Amino acid sequence: DAGVTQSPTHLIKTRGQQVTLRCSPKSGHDTVSWYQQALGQGPQFIFQYYEEEERQRGNFPDRFSGHQFPNYSSELNVNALLLGDSALYLCASSFPVGMNTEAFFGQGTRLTVV
Amino acid sequence: AQSVAQPEDQVNVAEGNPLTVKCTYSVSGNPYLFWYVQYPNRGLQFLLKYITGDNLVKGSYGFEAEFNKSQTSFHLKKPSALVSDSALYFCAVRDMRDYGQNFVFGPGTRLSVLP
Repeated sequence: DAGVTQSPTHLIKTRGQQVTLRCSPKSGHDTVSWYQQALGQGPQFIFQYYEEEERQRGNFPDRFSGHQFPNYSSELNVNALLLGDSALYLCASSFPVGMNTEAFFGQGTRLTVV
Repeated sequence: AQSVAQPEDQVNVAEGNPLTVKCTYSVSGNPYLFWYVQYPNRGLQFLLKYITGDNLVKGSYGFEAEFNKSQTSFHLKKPSALVSDSALYFCAVRDMRDYGQNFVFGPGTRLSVLP
């Protein structure tokens, strides 16, 4: 059983460009969350998707948007990239709402904005 | 608002000695508490969690953690450290009343186990 898979693993973009990161959740999980981990910091919650809708959002600007597909996979889109968007982006999947389980994380996508 | 503090940026311990990585938290309601470990160029791996019940929880790779409600702490422990335990450790909290169930992570503690 594959765990959470993310693609690509590394990405280099130029300021002002747009980027799309992808995530496939662990089998059986229908909830996907995205986190940004800047160098030397803990992960920061971006948003969470459930039933193809954004259910909760952290303190990130509208340049960060997402999508969840019927097969529960998800995309994170970032527009108008800034140097400060350089970070490791982590996808986490979990069981449905109300179950007190841990989230499983992918290996992350390392985004570098130059 | 929820928050997590990990007061030590770095913890050094000799192989075979016991280790402790500290975590304190703040939530409005009752907490769900978690420990994750991150190895270089990897995502986060789940170690253990406290939901309810026994204050001492046991997890993967010989790790355990003790929930102390009065001190709002959830320290990670291991009786005998291994060099392979060297990694970045994150404590995380989730408020039981949080419908969205997102995690709030601490800043991380780098554990170095010296041979």
